[in-house]
Amino acid sequence: GENVEQHPSTLSVQEGDSAVIKCTYSDSASNYFPWYKQELGKGPQLIIDIRSNVGEKKDQRIAVTLNKTAKHFSLHITETQPEDSAVYFCAADLGYQKVTFGTGTKLQVIP
Amino acid sequence: NAGVMQNPRHLVRRRGQEARLRCSPMKGHSHVYWYRQLPEEGLKFMVYLQKENIIDESGMPKERFSAEFPKEGPSILRIQQVVRGDSAAYFCASSPRLAGGYYEQYFGPGTRLTVT
Repeated sequence: GENVEQHPSTLSVQEGDSAVIKCTYSDSASNYFPWYKQELGKGPQLIIDIRSNVGEKKDQRIAVTLNKTAKHFSLHITETQPEDSAVYFCAADLGYQKVTFGTGTKLQVIP
Repeated sequence: NAGVMQNPRHLVRRRGQEARLRCSPMKGHSHVYWYRQLPEEGLKFMVYLQKENIIDESGMPKERFSAEFPKEGPSILRIQQVVRGDSAAYFCASSPRLAGGYYEQYFGPGTRLTVT
């Protein structure tokens, strides 16, 4: 099955700085890579996703890059704000509707 | 358009009792997924259902756990004879009918099960 590794497990940045979270996956057949934000006591919320036929996607302060050859993808958050503080999960999907999640990154944005 | 609804939000059961977790997908969504999240861990896939069909249950423990998504009503995740190790947050997600193989999963707020 698919295995997704995520780093770092915790990340602290100053408000206004950038944050980068990296993930690797094992199955080269994975073709869909969503990123979720989970706030305390809530369910995960999709913030951005990328398909295997795209190398980069941007949505305002959030961007995701995908390197299929190296089997890794990254989330970039620019101009971080305190409300960005949450746990972020990367995930990979083989296309069988069974999403494999990373172990999460706890992001703390310090005002 | 209401989001994915789950109830109860918190459930306490004694060892040996049964736990029933309910999930109502978003309007128009015909696919439901259940995940389990242990403290400080990521979400683990349990089961994928469509109306009246279990599509993939490869993440479900072989015993005590079952899931259904009837023609009418919410999806139910049922845990019989609960043990302390079942304590976790259980999340339901739903997605619309597949179009070109692409979809998004929308998560509910979860049910936090505590077994005493």
